[in-house]
Amino acid sequence: EAGVAQSPRYKIIEKRQSVAFWCNPISGHATLYWYQQILGQGPKLLIQFQNNGVVDDSQLPKDRFSAERLKGVDSTLKIQPAKLEDSAVYLCASSQTGGSSEAFFGQGTRLTVV
Amino acid sequence: AQSVTQLGSHVSVSEGALVLLRCNYSSSVPPYLFWYVQYPNQGLQLLLKYTSAATLVKGINGFEAEFKKSETSFHLTKPSAHMSDAAEYFCAVSDSMDTGRRALTFGSGTRLQVQP
Repeated sequence: EAGVAQSPRYKIIEKRQSVAFWCNPISGHATLYWYQQILGQGPKLLIQFQNNGVVDDSQLPKDRFSAERLKGVDSTLKIQPAKLEDSAVYLCASSQTGGSSEAFFGQGTRLTVV
Repeated sequence: AQSVTQLGSHVSVSEGALVLLRCNYSSSVPPYLFWYVQYPNQGLQLLLKYTSAATLVKGINGFEAEFKKSETSFHLTKPSAHMSDAAEYFCAVSDSMDTGRRALTFGSGTRLQVQP
């Protein structure tokens, strides 16, 4: 079974530029998450989708971050404009609905803002 | 609101020694609890999970954890450390009651070093 795919793996941009990350979840997983992991910290939820609807985006900085999940499958996370403090690893995860809903994680995208 | 506290950001053990990584949680509803491992430049891999069945949970690579409600703890143990166990370990909690909001809340992580 294919895992969660993310691209790119690494990205370096200058502050005030924009950037986008892509995620393809495990087939059949209705729930998709984006997490931000700053160096030395645990992952923090940015947004949760159920199919193509948003369940929780309370911690998403909406003035600069946006995310969408078209057709309830792939998802993109965008930052515009980027700030130095956005330097982090952005992890995408997916899970089935119901039960313990174990989350499966992609390898992440490491963003460096200079 | 849920939260997780991992005591000790760094733990160092000798190869063959007992591994004990501590996790305490706070939750207003019965929790689901998880331990994930993260190797350098990799995503998170599930080690084990507690979902209100047996309180002693066995996971992959010889790890196990015990859910203790009275202590609000879910400590991770392994009887004998191996060099390959060196990694970052994260404890996480989710809401068992609301099936629509199962996002994980993570602790800050514990880096395990294994000395030869």
